[in-house]
Amino acid sequence: EVQLVESGGGLVQPGRSLRLSCAASGFTFDDYAMHWVRQAPGKGLEWVSGISWNSGSIGYADSVKGRFTISRDNAKNSLYLQMNSLRAEDTALYYCAKDISSGGDTAIGFDYWGQGTLVTVSS
Amino acid sequence: DIQLTQSPSFLSASVGDRVTITCRASQGISSYLAWYQQKPGKAPKLLIYAASTLQSGVPSRFSGSGSGTEFTLTISSLQPEDFATYYCQQLNSYPRALTFGGGTKVEIK
Repeated sequence: EVQLVESGGGLVQPGRSLRLSCAASGFTFDDYAMHWVRQAPGKGLEWVSGISWNSGSIGYADSVKGRFTISRDNAKNSLYLQMNSLRAEDTALYYCAKDISSGGDTAIGFDYWGQGTLVTVSS
Repeated sequence: DIQLTQSPSFLSASVGDRVTITCRASQGISSYLAWYQQKPGKAPKLLIYAASTLQSGVPSRFSGSGSGTEFTLTISSLQPEDFATYYCQQLNSYPRALTFGGGTKVEIK
């Protein structure tokens, strides 16, 4: 059974940093691209970042470019999101999601999602 | 960035109704479009990818069509478990920004 379990969320002050993790199991992690998607309370979905199977192709939403860094450790079956210079508008539930494809320059759709980890940015 | 406009944003329907949701892209995205269903407090669920390919395990009453800039999600006979919010997503511009539509909430009439 495919499982994606996010962790690392919490309450953080504006301008501070947080690192999210996503532990994957039940599939061959290094065969697939992975993504982070967030959802602010009561709002729609926003893609944050994606990374190909070999970390060779990485993308970011304009809203987080230069502040967030996505990475993966295939040996540990884990995905990460380093979030720096956090702002109130980064407050959201952050989901880790698996792509149907291996990545490169192609994304097809997100077939498995975690349950999310909540990040609250507030003083 | 490519913008996606979903319509309607809210839909009231009855069990057994045929429901159609439209997603329009601000520029052509070939068939790089996916549809998701999200229920309150739950993660999204992939329904359709590549505009018209049904994800494994998804009931056949769901179907997708379109290419270029206009796409539709159709539920042929709405079931009680289908009341949820539906999102389209374009994946044409990856690894540049991917975008989701604003969502369509389907509620019981």
